Amino acid sequence: EVQLVESGGGLVQPGGSLRLSCVASGFAFRSYWMSWVRQAPGKGLEWVININEDGSENQFAASMKGRFTISRDNAENSVYLEMKSLRDEDTAVYYCARDLVGGYWDVWGKGTTVTVSS
Amino acid sequence: DIQMTQSPSTLSASVGDRVTITCRASQSINSRLAWYQQKPGKAPKLLIYMASSLESGVPSRFSGSGSGTEFTLTISSLQPDDFATYYCQEYNCCKIFGGGTKVEIK
Repeated sequence: EVQLVESGGGLVQPGGSLRLSCVASGFAFRSYWMSWVRQAPGKGLEWVININEDGSENQFAASMKGRFTISRDNAENSVYLEMKSLRDEDTAVYYCARDLVGGYWDVWGKGTTVTVSS
Repeated sequence: DIQMTQSPSTLSASVGDRVTITCRASQSINSRLAWYQQKPGKAPKLLIYMASSLESGVPSRFSGSGSGTEFTLTISSLQPDDFATYYCQEYNCCKIFGGGTKVEIK
């Protein structure tokens, strides 16, 4: 079964940092770009960042520049999202998703919740 | 920046109705548009890509059309499982989503 499972979410104070993980199974992980997409409570979807197959290239939404970084470990079938200087507005469910050609997503995890609050 | 505008934001319909959702881009995105369905507490599900290509396993009552800046998602005969929120997403530029259309029971 093709699957993505996120972890690492939780409560963090404003200005803090957090690292999210996503483990893939059931497909050739090393052959795909991978993305993180987030959804604030009661709001729409927002693409955050992605990474290419070997981890040498990434793209990110302009609003995330400098605060969020992405990495992957193909040996562990895992992709990571490092978030720093977190703000209240970063509170959201963060989904890991498999990129298809050009930038849409056909496989999604169930999401992990990040709450930024003092 | 490119803007993606969906209409309506909420739609009330009955089982068996034909439903159409519109997505407009502020600039041409060619046909690089996807549609997703999302139910409360769940991850989005890919329905349509490249504006009109049906994702494998998605019922044929779903269809997409359009090019350039105007696109539509049509559900030919609404089923109970289809009550959800639908999002368009462009991938010609910046991977921007529309604001969503909630399909409610009338």
